[in-house]
Amino acid sequence: EVQLVQSGTEVKKAGESLKISCRGSGYMFGVFWIGWVRQMPGKGLEWMGIIFPGDSDARYSPSFQGQVTMSVDKSINTAYLQWSSLQASDTAMYYCARGMGAYDWFDPWGQGTLVTVSS
Amino acid sequence: QSALTQPASVSGSPGQSITISCTGTSSDFGTFDHVSWYQQHPGKAPKLVIYDVSDRPSGVSNRFSGSKSGNTASLTISGLQAADEADYYCSSYTTSSTLVFGGGSKLTVL
Repeated sequence: EVQLVQSGTEVKKAGESLKISCRGSGYMFGVFWIGWVRQMPGKGLEWMGIIFPGDSDARYSPSFQGQVTMSVDKSINTAYLQWSSLQASDTAMYYCARGMGAYDWFDPWGQGTLVTVSS
Repeated sequence: QSALTQPASVSGSPGQSITISCTGTSSDFGTFDHVSWYQQHPGKAPKLVIYDVSDRPSGVSNRFSGSKSGNTASLTISGLQAADEADYYCSSYTTSSTLVFGGGSKLTVL
């Protein structure tokens, strides 16, 4: 079964750093893109960017460029999303998902990582 | 910035069919050939129900279908069931080499 399993809920303070993870299983991790999607409380889905584990080619939405960093460790089939200095406005659910192409559909999705940032 | 427009809400009775639209501009989305649709139940992760405008992933009910006309893509759900009540999002590749989601449509089964 193709599966993406994300790291658990995070509660942080503004100004702190954070790195969340997404581990793929059941498929060749290195040949499919991994995308990250934000969903703020009660709001819709926002595409943050996508990374190709094979060569770490990362592409960011202009809205998130410079705000977050995507990375991968293909030796352990894991993708990461990190912040160097969190803000209260980063409070959201973050999903990873397997991408069929750089800007294509996502299937499957991880279960989501809830990040809460207090000011 | 590129935008995909969906109705905020749609509703229908059990057994009926409903259609959710997703509209963009050709300058932002080209020929609109890379539209996908996702279903999201409350508290759950999104689930792919349609890709490449009208293709259905394995395991998704054939009650879900997709189409497009010009710069509007549509998701149709036939034989509406209570379990279909959820939020639905379209997404598409953009000519600026990004991906955009629509604002989402809340489906209520009456």
